[in-house]
Amino acid sequence: SYVLTQPPSVSVAPGQTARVTCGGNNIGDKSVHWYQQKPGQAPLLVIYYDSDRPSGIPERFSGSNSGNTATLTIIRVEAGDEADYYCQVWDSSSDHPVFGGGTKLTVL
Amino acid sequence: EVQLEESGGGLVQPGGSLRLSCAASGFTFSTYWMSWVRQAPGRGLEWVANIKQDGSEQYSVDSVKGRFSISRDNAKNSLYLQMNSLRAEDTAVYYCARYQRWETSWLFDLWGRGILVTVSS
Repeated sequence: SYVLTQPPSVSVAPGQTARVTCGGNNIGDKSVHWYQQKPGQAPLLVIYYDSDRPSGIPERFSGSNSGNTATLTIIRVEAGDEADYYCQVWDSSSDHPVFGGGTKLTVL
Repeated sequence: EVQLEESGGGLVQPGGSLRLSCAASGFTFSTYWMSWVRQAPGRGLEWVANIKQDGSEQYSVDSVKGRFSISRDNAKNSLYLQMNSLRAEDTAVYYCARYQRWETSWLFDLWGRGILVTVSS
């Protein structure tokens, strides 16, 4: 089945830019969705279809997808952005959704 | 308010059974695919099962095939997960989620708070 690879952790200082990557074979040919999960809370969709933001998600969150890597970018990082972030695609070969292993974003 | 609320979790012995429920409100439940997604302690998200709007199609991850069954009652705006022959590795928080098709892909656009299932003797 399709495998998505994320770095276990990313650290960034407040006000800086955080980039969380999601690697997969020709992932640029797929639509990538991103979820934010804060401790003890349910996941929240923050980016869908590579780069679209659901209503209520700050413009500081953006996404891109090309080649073998999709990226979630958060500019002007705030303490409240500290969370686990998961990428997700739909694997057409298995007809199943697939999640990456998750990346813990730490705001220093 | 649009929301999903899970119930029915708890502690069960290996080999035992448990039935999870998910109550939907604030949207037209019968028009959406629905899913269960789980998260083992300290681990990532894992899709478990999906069900079509009218219940006519169900899909599940290989590790639960033959043991777990997803169903729904649109008259009660409710989703269920019947879990049999439970194993220690099924221990996780189980989330009910709305499963939405977006162009050529699928995503989870609404999640419940989750319910803990612990399989232990």
